[in-house]
Amino acid sequence: GAGVSQSPSNKVTEKGKDVELRCDPISGHTALYWYRQSLGQGLEFLIYFQGNSAPDKSGLPSDRFSAERTGGSVSTLTIQRTQQEDSAVYLCASSEETKSEQFFGPGTRLTVL
Amino acid sequence: QKEVEQNSGPLSVPEGAIASLNCTYSDRVSQSFFWYRQYSGKSPELIMSIYSNGDKEDGRFTAQLNKASQYVSLLIRDSQPSDSATYLCAVKGYGQNFVFGPGTRLSVLP
Repeated sequence: GAGVSQSPSNKVTEKGKDVELRCDPISGHTALYWYRQSLGQGLEFLIYFQGNSAPDKSGLPSDRFSAERTGGSVSTLTIQRTQQEDSAVYLCASSEETKSEQFFGPGTRLTVL
Repeated sequence: QKEVEQNSGPLSVPEGAIASLNCTYSDRVSQSFFWYRQYSGKSPELIMSIYSNGDKEDGRFTAQLNKASQYVSLLIRDSQPSDSATYLCAVKGYGQNFVFGPGTRLSVLP
């Protein structure tokens, strides 16, 4: 079956612009996670959704970051007024429930000039 | 702060040898443990999950869990150059997000 998909695969933007990243989880997966991975670094947890609600937003680095999920499916991560330090690969993962294995999408590489 | 620690490596092993990757975690109530493989420029790929003490084998991979010692490991038998990647340990507790370790870079030398 189809895996997790993310779009765009690459995004280059200018400092100060807003960007929107999209994640389409595996059908039927109720939990959805967003991570950030800077070059050569580990995974940094950002936020996760159980259904449409986000029980844990503790990883969002600043109030410029927000995320939503509608219909228990697609999620969007929005970064307002992007900064150069936001440059990273943004990974989305989904799982059947919060206790089981996560499956990752291919990621969106964000470059802020 | 809940932590997951791994040796960053690189861990170099000759082709055909056993590669041993180790992970320790700080949260005693952790329940679920996962190993992911990440090739350079790619996203993490799930290799193994383990939930109870002991060994779990899947092909050339064996995961070992010791909750008393808060330790989980991954053994790769008959290592191949295609196993060269970064291996991420992930830990999940009750009602918590996943915590990933920094990863261990494995290099299998032909």
